[in-house]
Amino acid sequence: AQKVTQAQTEISVVEKEDVTLDCVYETRDTTYYLFWYKQPPSGELVFLIRRNSFDEQNEISGRYSWNFQKSTSSFNFTITASQVVDSAVYFCALSEAGQAGTALIFGKGTTLSVSS
Amino acid sequence: NAGVTQTPKFQVLKTGQSMTLQCAQDMNHEYMSWYRQDPGMGLRLIHYSVGAGITDQGEVPNGYNVSRSTTEDFPLRLLSAAPSQTSVYFCASSYSTSLGEDTQYFGPGTRLTVL
Repeated sequence: AQKVTQAQTEISVVEKEDVTLDCVYETRDTTYYLFWYKQPPSGELVFLIRRNSFDEQNEISGRYSWNFQKSTSSFNFTITASQVVDSAVYFCALSEAGQAGTALIFGKGTTLSVSS
Repeated sequence: NAGVTQTPKFQVLKTGQSMTLQCAQDMNHEYMSWYRQDPGMGLRLIHYSVGAGITDQGEVPNGYNVSRSTTEDFPLRLLSAAPSQTSVYFCASSYSTSLGEDTQYFGPGTRLTVL
């Protein structure tokens, strides 16, 4: 069965600190997709990144970076020099091949609070 | 493009009442899904559709019906609301590419309370 575990329920940091959000997944598929979504206090879900199982290259986008390691079934998300605007709930999600457009398995989310 | 729209934004129902949550997208996306979000549970898939006239069940389908008569609309029906259906409901849409299914993009959500 597929499963996504975000062991960190809540994280609190002070502005400018770096923070890493952990995501561990389980799947028997050899082809799958991993995602991160952000849910700010306003409630909408904002897509951040998608990664295919055959692409282990790490990704950097501004202050955001993602570390995908198939050997440990992890897809961790790091925010460098955090800002108050980064305060949100972050969800990691997984889909099987052929279901990325319809069926995501979500972790329970990590609430990040960044104080000034 | 308006993207994915959901109405209403908020709704309060009494136990046993019925209602329909509306979801529409103007991007000509083939795929649409409904999720519910409960505190500490993340999002869970209720129903999904891969095209007009085709729907299937997700992880938590009980108590909900869907239909997809057009590409644009994917309403979610609660036939007899129960307090356990108090939740935030998100609709999402996506499309297929030559590389497979694309990423899902979500509507703003509907917050439903069942008393």
